[in-house]
Amino acid sequence: KNQVEQSPQSLIILEGKNCTLQCNYTVSPFSNLRWYKQDTGRGPVSLTIMTFSENTKSNGRYTATLDADTKQSSLHITASQLSDSASYICVVSGGSARQLTFGSGTQLTVLP
Amino acid sequence: KAGVTQTPRYLIKTRGQQVTLSCSPISGHRSVSWYQQTPGQGLQFLFEYFSETQRNKGNFPGRFSGRQFSNSRSEMNVSTLELGDSALYLCASSLDGRAELDTQYFGPGTRLTVL
Repeated sequence: KNQVEQSPQSLIILEGKNCTLQCNYTVSPFSNLRWYKQDTGRGPVSLTIMTFSENTKSNGRYTATLDADTKQSSLHITASQLSDSASYICVVSGGSARQLTFGSGTQLTVLP
Repeated sequence: KAGVTQTPRYLIKTRGQQVTLSCSPISGHRSVSWYQQTPGQGLQFLFEYFSETQRNKGNFPGRFSGRQFSNSRSEMNVSTLELGDSALYLCASSLDGRAELDTQYFGPGTRLTVL
């Protein structure tokens, strides 16, 4: 069964600090992995998309890494800001119908 | 370019009723997908439409249906509403939906409450 597990479920950090969110998946065959940011009450917004051959991709202060061998990805946030407070969702595209499998998200809270 | 729009934003219905939600994709996007988001289950894929045809379907009962029009606008219908259908329904559009790096753009969602 295709699954995407994210950790931690929730995280609280102080403004200016860095943090790393984890994503493990069992989706096969693998097509690509996406990280989304979802602010409360709004739709998700795409941060990065990585294919099998990509190890790292950055979008401003967000850097995603992918290890296709261990089926793990991480999202690193540098110098956090209050506006980074949101749910971060890992999504893996793959399987026979190239469907999207969603993780349950990590709720990040950045405190002043 | 205008983003994905969904109407209505909020909806309250009672059990047994039916509801229709609407989604207007970004201009030029031909793929529209629908998702249900609940606190317990997270985001779950409902179905995807491309060029007026359902191209992919998730594991939801037949009470959930949808369609896409020639202008790519899409509607989702839920019949015989149950309490468990209370959720945020999200629509996402993309150019093609199949290209490797095709990005999905989500709308703000419709918050459905079933009483």
